[in-house]
Amino acid sequence: GDQVEQSPSALSLHEGTGSALRCNFTTTMRAVQWFRKNSRGSLINLFYLASGTKENGRLKSAFDSKERYSTLHIRDAQLEDSGTYFCAAEDWTNYNVLYFGSGTKLTVEP
Amino acid sequence: AQTIHQWPVAEIKAVGSPLSLGCTIKGKSSPNLYWYWQATGGTLQQLFYSITVGQVESVVQLNLSASRPKDDQFILSTEKLLLSHSGFYLCAWSLGGENTLYFGAGTRLSVL
Repeated sequence: GDQVEQSPSALSLHEGTGSALRCNFTTTMRAVQWFRKNSRGSLINLFYLASGTKENGRLKSAFDSKERYSTLHIRDAQLEDSGTYFCAAEDWTNYNVLYFGSGTKLTVEP
Repeated sequence: AQTIHQWPVAEIKAVGSPLSLGCTIKGKSSPNLYWYWQATGGTLQQLFYSITVGQVESVVQLNLSASRPKDDQFILSTEKLLLSHSGFYLCAWSLGGENTLYFGAGTRLSVL
């Protein structure tokens, strides 16, 4: 929603390269999650962060609540990484409500 | 292992007709449950959440209602569908504390 601005909206990478997706927040958020959309349209959770960084394979995410942003870094991109990625954040007033970014469509090319 | 099942997979309904979408979570006791909706080309929006049986909180008003009749079941419904209700509906669960969300496969709704 308006609370989360995700960029870029689309990203094209060559196999073996890397880049970062970013979400900026209009207010300080309690935590952030990153998801990837699967082939049917549902979402698979990649990371949950309340602070700091987390890494899983070729993906690494960081969250800075004070500076109001989160990033998802992809390194050594593979063709199967293609898809749409979303961030979502919960604010301090009601952490049962999640605000989603508009998504980044990643295309990895040979 | 916990599983989340949504039904139906897809629906085509007429404007003004009723709707009921369901979601069941197995393998987790007292999960937090959520309904999300995404219009075609739109951003995913949270509609409802429920922390406990019988209690549902509304997040966005879309002329829809939700109920949690059992600990493992979450129902989304309306008596009169609007064209604007078309889209993709996702149910999700989490445990309290670290609210990592786990989504169901979704229901694609077309209102004609």
